[in-house]
Amino acid sequence: KAGVTQTPRYLIKTRGQQVTLSCSPISGHRSVSWYQQTPGQGLQFLFEYFSETQRNKGNFPGRFSGRQFSNSRSEMNVSTLELGDSALYLCASKFSGWADTQYFGPGTRLTVL
Amino acid sequence: DQQVKQNSPSLSVQEGRISILNCDYTNSMFDYFLWYKKYPAEGPTFLISISSIKDKNEDGRFTVFLNKSAKHLSLHIVPSQPGDSAVYFCAASGQGGSEKLVFGKGMKLTVNP
Repeated sequence: KAGVTQTPRYLIKTRGQQVTLSCSPISGHRSVSWYQQTPGQGLQFLFEYFSETQRNKGNFPGRFSGRQFSNSRSEMNVSTLELGDSALYLCASKFSGWADTQYFGPGTRLTVL
Repeated sequence: DQQVKQNSPSLSVQEGRISILNCDYTNSMFDYFLWYKKYPAEGPTFLISISSIKDKNEDGRFTVFLNKSAKHLSLHIVPSQPGDSAVYFCAASGQGGSEKLVFGKGMKLTVNP
């Protein structure tokens, strides 16, 4: 069974631009979560989608948004990029329930110049 | 405010010895705890979990201990192997609809041959 895939793997943008990251979950998994990893803050939860609905949300500004499609694929969008948005963005999928194991993708490394 | 804390940023041990990674949490609503391992350029990989109804869970060389009264958990790796060298993240979540994982900042384990 294929793992979680994320595209693109690397991205360079400039301040003020917007970016869209994509995540394809493991087949059969209906929950997709997004995390931001930075050296100073570690892994921080952005949001979780389940059956095309946002089920949980972290403490990030509204510039960070996401969506999930009927095939469970998910996209994350960051508008008006800031230097501090430079990070590794990780997507994780799981079947559905709270105790199900989350499987992470390799991440998208975003650099904002 | 950091709800999950890994106070030591790094640990170095000799091959064959025990590695003990510690994690403290502040939110008493957390009742499910996980450890993830992360290699560079890869997403975190699930290692082992423990529910608050238990105080110990074993899986091969990995054992997680939970002390609810102290709000403390630890991961023991015995015997440690060079391939265990990675960054380890402790994570916690609560039931009752709160499904987001809260991660610690990670600890880098180096196992020397």
